[in-house]
Amino acid sequence: EVQLLESGGGLVQPGGSLRLSCAASGFIFSTYAMSWVRQAPGKGLEWVSVISGSGDNTYYADSVKGRFTISTDISKNTVYLQMNSLRAEDTAVYYCAKDIYGSGSYLDYWGQGTLVTVSS
Amino acid sequence: DIQMTQSPSSVSASVGDRVTITCRASQGISNWLGWYQQKPGKAPKLLIYVASNLQSGVPSRFSGSGSGTDFTLTISSLQPEDFATYYCQQAYSLPRTFGQGTKVEVK
Repeated sequence: EVQLLESGGGLVQPGGSLRLSCAASGFIFSTYAMSWVRQAPGKGLEWVSVISGSGDNTYYADSVKGRFTISTDISKNTVYLQMNSLRAEDTAVYYCAKDIYGSGSYLDYWGQGTLVTVSS
Repeated sequence: DIQMTQSPSSVSASVGDRVTITCRASQGISNWLGWYQQKPGKAPKLLIYVASNLQSGVPSRFSGSGSGTDFTLTISSLQPEDFATYYCQQAYSLPRTFGQGTKVEVK
C-alpha cells in the first residue's frame, strides 16, 4: 500500500525558513517523480515543485523559484521541501504527491498535508 | 504558463442528476489533462488522467472527454458521496497548473 507522510509544518515568522519532509512507502521510490502542491486557506490547488525519481531534475513554480528547494534522499525514501524567505502568501497546507509516471504528470497518491503558517 | 479555466465555479445538483464540468486551456495541450476530486479537509483524489482514462477504483459514473483546449468531466448519476470540489490539471508542460475548481453542491 502506497503511503505518504508529511511532517515539518508549523508557524514561522516572515523571512524565516522551514523544511518539510515526506516519507514514502509502498512503491519503488526512485522510479517515480514526486511533487509538492499547496492550498492556501479556502483557495484552490497550486502546484509548487517536482523532482524526478533519480533526483536529477527539478522544476519550480515562479512564485517559489529561488526561495524553495526540492530534494530527495533515496536511501530514506523521503522527499524534502526547503522553504526560505517565507512570506505571508506562502501560508497553506502543503501536500506531497507521487506521480503516476516517472515524469511529473498526474498525481495518483497524496499525503495528508502539513500546514505552514507564516505570520508574525 | 498555461492557464486552466473551469466553468461553472459552482453547480447545485440533486442525487441522480447528470453533472458536467468544463475545463478550458489557454493553449492546446493535446490530451494531457487530469481531473481530481477534493472533499473538505482531505487531500485531492485523482479521478481521470490523459483526458479520459479512469483511475483504478474510480466509479464508472465518472467520465472525461476532450482534447486540444476543451475538456469535460461528466458524472452520469450524482451520488451523495460526489458532493465535493473538482479540479482539472494540465500535464502538458511545466509548470503544471490547475483550474480554479468547481464546487458541486446540494440543490
